[in-house]
Amino acid sequence: EVQLVQSGAEVKKPGESLKISCKGSGYKFTSYWIGWVRQMPGKGLEWIGNIYAADSDTRYSPSFQGQVTISADKSINTAYLEWSSLKASDTAIYYCARKYTGFDFWGQGTLVTVSS
Amino acid sequence: DIQMTQSPSSLSASVGDRVTITCRASQTINNYLHWYQQKSGEAPRLLIYTTSRLQSGIPSRFSGSGSGTDFTLTISSLQPEDFATYYCQQSYSNPTFGQGTRLEIK
Repeated sequence: EVQLVQSGAEVKKPGESLKISCKGSGYKFTSYWIGWVRQMPGKGLEWIGNIYAADSDTRYSPSFQGQVTISADKSINTAYLEWSSLKASDTAIYYCARKYTGFDFWGQGTLVTVSS
Repeated sequence: DIQMTQSPSSLSASVGDRVTITCRASQTINNYLHWYQQKSGEAPRLLIYTTSRLQSGIPSRFSGSGSGTDFTLTISSLQPEDFATYYCQQSYSNPTFGQGTRLEIK
């Protein structure tokens, strides 16, 4: 069974750093791209970027380029989304998803709350 | 980026109704169009991929069609569990999503 399990909810202050994770199982992790998607409170879905774990080839949405870093550790089938300096506007649910043609399997989401 | 525009933004319908949601791309995307359902508090779920292919486990009352820039998602007979928000997404270039269509009970 394909599963993507994300790390738990986070509460951070503005300016703090954060790295959230997404662990894949039930399939060959290095054969698929993993995407990250943001959903701000009460809003729609926004693509952040994708990573191909086999070689860490990474693509970013222009809207998120330079704002976040996507990485992966293929030895433990895990992808990451990282911020060096959080802002209140980063408050959202972040989903990882496996990319086949569409995004066919999704993690449960990680709620990130940034508040002073 | 390719812009995706869904219509309507919200829709009220009754159980048993036939419902159609439209998605228009700002340029041709061939058939690289996918549909998702998201229920409150849950992750999105892939319903239809590459315009018309039903994802495994999705009921056959869901169908998709279209080409070029114009696409539709149809639910042939609404069931109580279908009331949710629906998103289209293109993968012809960097992925972009439509703004969503909220399907509510009339």
